[in-house]
Amino acid sequence: GAVVSQHPSWVICKSGTSVKIECRSLDFQATTMFWYRQFPKQSLMLMATSNEGSKATYEQGVEKDKFLINHASLTLSTLTVTSAHPEDSSFYICSARGGLAGHPAYNEQFFGPGTRLTVL
Amino acid sequence: GIQVEQSPPDLILQEGANSTLRCNFSDSVNNLQWFHQNPWGQLINLFYIPSGTKQNGRLSATTVATERYSLLYISSSQTTDSGVYFCAVLKTSYDKVIFGPGTSLSVIP
Repeated sequence: GAVVSQHPSWVICKSGTSVKIECRSLDFQATTMFWYRQFPKQSLMLMATSNEGSKATYEQGVEKDKFLINHASLTLSTLTVTSAHPEDSSFYICSARGGLAGHPAYNEQFFGPGTRLTVL
Repeated sequence: GIQVEQSPPDLILQEGANSTLRCNFSDSVNNLQWFHQNPWGQLINLFYIPSGTKQNGRLSATTVATERYSLLYISSSQTTDSGVYFCAVLKTSYDKVIFGPGTSLSVIP
């Protein structure tokens, strides 16, 4: 199956700093990537949809100025948590939609290993 | 929007036992996936199964789209099967993927 990587796998930062998380599709081109947030013992919550070459679409309640998303190429999307605070501590997961439009598996999503962010 | 329910919420199995996990959804969907989230947080694709039946080793899945449910079967469970199993649905290519709340499985030796 398709492989998605995330970097870093974990990060600890001080309150007020910004943290950038990278999401890469390693063996396929992804015009659309997704960013999720997961709290302990809860399901995944979609934060935003990232489209290559255009602005991200944010879900209701997600601050776009707080969580900056850039999808600069067909294989890379980045999430920057700006001025991080302890309440931003969470597990962040990205996914990429594989396959070509019209292919039966076009809507299949492949997930990265996640990034655990701890803000002190 | 689409509501996704999963049952049971928690399950404890003796190694070697079989189990069935269920996913119900409230509207027709174009896509349904089953994932296993291991204890390290990695989501592993198990099945892409908008309809029909698929099998992969000890796992199999069936989606009955007309009745809006999907089942994941785990046979001869192993301790490495422990983790959380999520189903996720997508109504159309332009909609967001909706995750169910998950089933937490613990397989004990």
